[in-house]
Amino acid sequence: AQSVAQPEDQVNVAEGNPLTVKCTYSVSGNPYLFWYVQYPNRGLQFLLKYITGDNLVKGSYGFEAEFNKSQTSFHLKKPSALVSDSALYFCAVRSSGNTPLVFGKGTRLSVIA
Amino acid sequence: DAGVIQSPRHEVTEMGQEVTLRCKPISGHDYLFWYRQTMMRGLELLIYFNNNVPIDDSGMPEDRFSAKMPNASFSTLKIQPSEPRDSAVYFCASSPLGAGALSEQFFGPGTRLTVL
Repeated sequence: AQSVAQPEDQVNVAEGNPLTVKCTYSVSGNPYLFWYVQYPNRGLQFLLKYITGDNLVKGSYGFEAEFNKSQTSFHLKKPSALVSDSALYFCAVRSSGNTPLVFGKGTRLSVIA
Repeated sequence: DAGVIQSPRHEVTEMGQEVTLRCKPISGHDYLFWYRQTMMRGLELLIYFNNNVPIDDSGMPEDRFSAKMPNASFSTLKIQPSEPRDSAVYFCASSPLGAGALSEQFFGPGTRLTVL
């Protein structure tokens, strides 16, 4: 079975500081990993994905994520946080094929000016 | 493309009433997913379709819930009778077949359901 863990319900960071939102996964076979963001009263928006290749993946709005196979992690990062980055962030995984994504519970990011 | 379209955006109803949520996936997408989001349980997959055929409905909480996809451009999620614990945001998502595991899912804006 596939699963995703986001160990932090809430992350607070000052504007301009680097941010990290953590994600670990469990899957049999090769993982396909995704990050989504949800702004208030909106649907989930795709940020980035890891399929294969370079372990550092760059996505929308200056976000990037690092795939670490030995630690089964896929942490989301941004060098300099903006207040507008405040939102709910979801990590998701699938192992193969056309199966639905399995989502973590989400981490609420709050960037303080 | 307008993206995934859901209606209504908000629904307030009384316990015992029938509720129907609607979804129009992105044109050309072969997969359609229904999710429910609550504070307590996060984002739960209820059911998903491939080429209008239900593939896995193991996430549907009870027989009160049913979903249909009569054609490639329309799906409904029905709750009958509704209960207060059904209050949640319901999301529809779609994805294309060709990319397989590589493809992200595209989400609609959601329907916020409140059952009084």
